[in-house]
Formats: sequence, C-alpha cells, structure tokens
Amino acid sequence: EPEVTQTPSHQVTQMGQEVILRCVPISNHLYFYWYRQILGQKVEFLVSFYNNEISEKSEIFDDQFSVERPDGSNFTLKIRSTKLEDSAMYFCASSEVAASSYEQYFGPGTRLTVT
Amino acid sequence: AQSVTQLDSHVSVSEGTPVLLRCNYSSSYSPSLFWYVQHPNKGLQLLLKYTSAATLVKGINGFEAEFKKSETSFHLTKPSAHMSDAAEYFCVVSDRGYGQNFVFGPGTRLSVLP
Repeated sequence: EPEVTQTPSHQVTQMGQEVILRCVPISNHLYFYWYRQILGQKVEFLVSFYNNEISEKSEIFDDQFSVERPDGSNFTLKIRSTKLEDSAMYFCASSEVAASSYEQYFGPGTRLTVT
Repeated sequence: AQSVTQLDSHVSVSEGTPVLLRCNYSSSYSPSLFWYVQHPNKGLQLLLKYTSAATLVKGINGFEAEFKKSETSFHLTKPSAHMSDAAEYFCVVSDRGYGQNFVFGPGTRLSVLP
C-alpha cells in the first residue's frame, strides 16, 4: 500500500540554525500538508500546498517557515532560524482531493529537537 | 471555529472487553469527522470517517463510530479489545467552511491489559 515517507526521523539542531524536513507524498496525490505536535499538546495545522502554491496557512506558519516542492516527488518544510519552541514532531500529509470529506494520509513524522 | 474535545486522555481496558473512546466536536457547518490511530513510531492511520452518509460508520480492525448531531458526538467503539489496539487515538474534524485543514483533538491513549 502506498504511504507517505518522511526523513529524517529525528533531527537535532542548535538554536538559530536552518533545518529542512523532507517528505515524499503518495505519488498520485496533489495536495500536501504540514502539521506539528509539540510534546503533550495537540496536533496543529501549519500549511497546505497545491499546484506549487500555499493554499492555506495557520498563524503558526510565520516568515520563519517556508515550503517547497523542489521536484516531482519531494515536499519540504524549511525553518530558517530555529527557536527552542520549534521543538516538536512534524507530520507531513497528502490527499488526492482538497475537500473536507477526503482523508489525509500521514507520514510517521520527524521529531525536531532544538537545543 | 471548529474544535474537538476528547474527554479522556487515557483509557485502560482488559483484553476482550469493550472499548469506548469519547469525542465531541463543535462546528459551524456540516462537518466531516475522522478517527486516526497512531502506534509508536508509526504514522497516523485512518480508522474510519463520517462524511454525511450513514451515521454509523464501520472502520478497520473492528472499530466503529456513531455520529450524533444532537449530541455533537462521534464516539469510537469496539466490542472486544485486542492487545494490538494499544495506541494513541485522535478524533479529527474537517469543516467545509474552513478549508482543507484538519482540526485534531488532544488524543486518547488506549492501554490494553492482558
């Protein structure tokens, strides 16, 4: 069964450094998402992406964050200058259709630790 | 705005006994509702979804959920728990009036005792 993959599974970085989290969505899906879960808190929506553009973003997704689909398979989340509060599990998801009734398929997550 | 409440942060049951994980939601529009499960070091896997068709929804691994609009609830049940059901369960609402993003509940950790 096709699945969303994410690399790395765990990333440790120093405050102020740039990080790139990588995701490979399911191949025929057109809509891509990033969510994050700070330890002990809810999974929160960050951004959705379609046709090489951000279609929706939350207030969490400020200028420090960017997303890109650099080629036909990868979908990346970049954090320009990491802060301690960016430490979280980051989930990538994809869906065939951008409609509320369609399920999103999630990857296993990347645990980001900022020291 | 949409929101999801999962009333229990941790539920513990014995193997072979019923499971009930509670979820209440708020939504200004007709919502779609989902239950996802997360096993350790795994991605979020869809268990089942409600999208305005039958109010009783059957999912994988013997789970089912009933949409009750009057109670704004979407509780997850299973008649007989198995050890492999031990995991974190998330109730999710998606609201046509608010775009594509999912709103997650805080999660319920299910423990299954032998």
